[in-house]
Amino acid sequence: DAMVIQNPRYQVTQFGKPVTLSCSQTLNHNVMYWYQQKSSQAPKLLFHYYDKDFNNEADTPDNFQSRRPNTSFCFLDIRSPGLGDAAMYLCATSRDSGTESFGPGTRLTVL
Amino acid sequence: AQRVTQPEKLLSVFKGAPVELKCNYSYSGSPELFWYVQYSRQRLQLLLRHISRESIKGFTADLNKGETSFHLKKPFAQEEDSAMYYCALSALRGGKLIFGQGTELSVKP
Repeated sequence: DAMVIQNPRYQVTQFGKPVTLSCSQTLNHNVMYWYQQKSSQAPKLLFHYYDKDFNNEADTPDNFQSRRPNTSFCFLDIRSPGLGDAAMYLCATSRDSGTESFGPGTRLTVL
Repeated sequence: AQRVTQPEKLLSVFKGAPVELKCNYSYSGSPELFWYVQYSRQRLQLLLRHISRESIKGFTADLNKGETSFHLKKPFAQEEDSAMYYCALSALRGGKLIFGQGTELSVKP
């Protein structure tokens, strides 16, 4: 089945230790998104790639970076995780302006 | 400012009762409105979108531009409807989603 896959599902890191979250898709969608969802809050868009073009949200901290080496993969890098970065990170994809398909999310714990 | 408001964090109803999850929005252009649902331990998935004007799992939602609302309704709630429901909007020509805070629907037997 075509889908959005996120690995790992659960990630534990230490305060200040860089961490990378992974997203892959078999839908051949050209747009990929990263959302942050903190406990009891709405998902909040961090950035997205439209094809190879990177679009950062104005209020996304510099601590968060992203890479998209090809159509299928997109990575979220957190350079120096703080306790406040503990959250569920959701990857989503879409075909142009179409409906977004979401991955299962990666729950990040920062110790 | 672009904003989606879901005033109820938790809505609890009995099986067979009507349910309405409220959603109001603020947007300067012509938005597209969505309802997403997240069942326990499952991924966020699209329930319906206003341009489709369809009913999914017995749920309907009508866009009221005058009241800037997009309430989700179902005449007879089922236990399997228990989930987290998010209202969201995007620009009519697509783009990023802006989510509401979510409403947890609990349907009791």
